[in-house]
Amino acid sequence: DIVMTQSPDSLAVSLGERATINCKSSQSVLYSSNNKNYLAWYQQKPGQPPKLLIYWSSTRESGVPDRFSGSGSGTDFTLTISSLQAEDVAVYFCQQYYSAPYCFGRGTKLEIK
Amino acid sequence: EVQLVESGGGLVQPGGSLRLSCAASGFTFSNYWMSWVRHAPGQGLEWVANIRESGSEEYYVDSVKGRFTISRDNAKNSLYLQMNSLRDEDTAVYYCTRDHIYGDFYDHWGQGTLVTVSS
Repeated sequence: DIVMTQSPDSLAVSLGERATINCKSSQSVLYSSNNKNYLAWYQQKPGQPPKLLIYWSSTRESGVPDRFSGSGSGTDFTLTISSLQAEDVAVYFCQQYYSAPYCFGRGTKLEIK
Repeated sequence: EVQLVESGGGLVQPGGSLRLSCAASGFTFSNYWMSWVRHAPGQGLEWVANIRESGSEEYYVDSVKGRFTISRDNAKNSLYLQMNSLRDEDTAVYYCTRDHIYGDFYDHWGQGTLVTVSS
């Protein structure tokens, strides 16, 4: 199984500042035949189901604000929120879909400082 | 608007059974792979099972193989999860999810249904 490790477990950032969340996979999720990273990011607000933010490590889902961006390749990935808004308070998860079982990270809780 | 509405959760004793249902609307159900994903208290999200558009293929995480069965009825736009021989560690919120057309990640989620396994 591909194990996904997120860091930090929690993060407090001031409004308008940058937030950075890291995700590391135990093996590469880069598929050589199409040069795509099989890595997605989700946002989960209290009392709500997760919401897809990013797939292919850097492609924003339709309707997701452009302050959210994803980067990285192979085994190391980053979700960046360029200017934190109050509505971004949530838990963020990464997920690999390179091979079954499609494992998620444990989550990073993002709060306002 | 895509909607996924789960039902069937509840309290069950260890060794018992439950059947979860998911009613889908707002899209052509028969065109999509579907999955169940669960979230146990204090744990991360866990993919449980998925099923092909036609229902001809299904896959499971090792921890539920032989105990859980995923199925679908495309005529009723419904997804199911039959859970047998339930264990304490199956306690979780179970989400019905639609797989994205590009791969095994999830672009729509239901609100979830809570399954509690306890004596």
